Amino acid sequence: SAVISQKPSRDICQRGTSLTIQCQVDSQVTMMFWYRQQPGQSLTLIATANQGSEATYESGFVIDKFPISRPNLTFSTLTVSNMSPEDSSIYLCSVAGSTQSGGTDTQYFGPGTRLTVL
Amino acid sequence: GDSVTQMEGPVTLSEEAFLTINCTYTATGYPSLFWYVQYPGEGLQLLLKATKADDKGSNKGFEATYRKETTSFHLEKGSVQVSDSAVYFCALTGGFKTIFGAGTRLFVKA
Repeated sequence: SAVISQKPSRDICQRGTSLTIQCQVDSQVTMMFWYRQQPGQSLTLIATANQGSEATYESGFVIDKFPISRPNLTFSTLTVSNMSPEDSSIYLCSVAGSTQSGGTDTQYFGPGTRLTVL
Repeated sequence: GDSVTQMEGPVTLSEEAFLTINCTYTATGYPSLFWYVQYPGEGLQLLLKATKADDKGSNKGFEATYRKETTSFHLEKGSVQVSDSAVYFCALTGGFKTIFGAGTRLFVKA
């Protein structure tokens, strides 16, 4: 399986500021995803990060609030912009389609970034 | 659209008890089915998967069988340990999109 790291692991931020979360994979992957997981809840897909093109956002999420970059096949960033306390959550990066994994149907997850907005 | 429904938690068991966490799904086509586990403070880890009807996924003593006739993928373990305490997510993938269930929290008491 792919090994995924995220930075930072946690942060406490002030309202109105922005935070960029990094996701690094140890192998080239076809697909990278960003999820939000609020306390005690399931995962909500924010967007699919496409290499070389704009991310594909799910309903309820917009590029101005959650800009995403995917400069190559092993790295992506998610920015949470103009934060409010409602953005407090765990943000998870996942990947699929690694040459080391079992096909594009299986996702592997990073450890998550725990964000608290005051 | 596709969906996953799993039993509500929390589930509390004593060590060495038998575990079942129910999961049913609705999907068009032939999705792959997964169980992921999330330990406290960590991301999700793939526990097991099954890609077609009647396949059985297994790992670390956990098992689940892809039942197309009942659209189910129930997770079972014969004897749970305290270290199995975690949140378990059932999921399906059709195409490139993965749908997760709400998660079931398991507490195992010594």
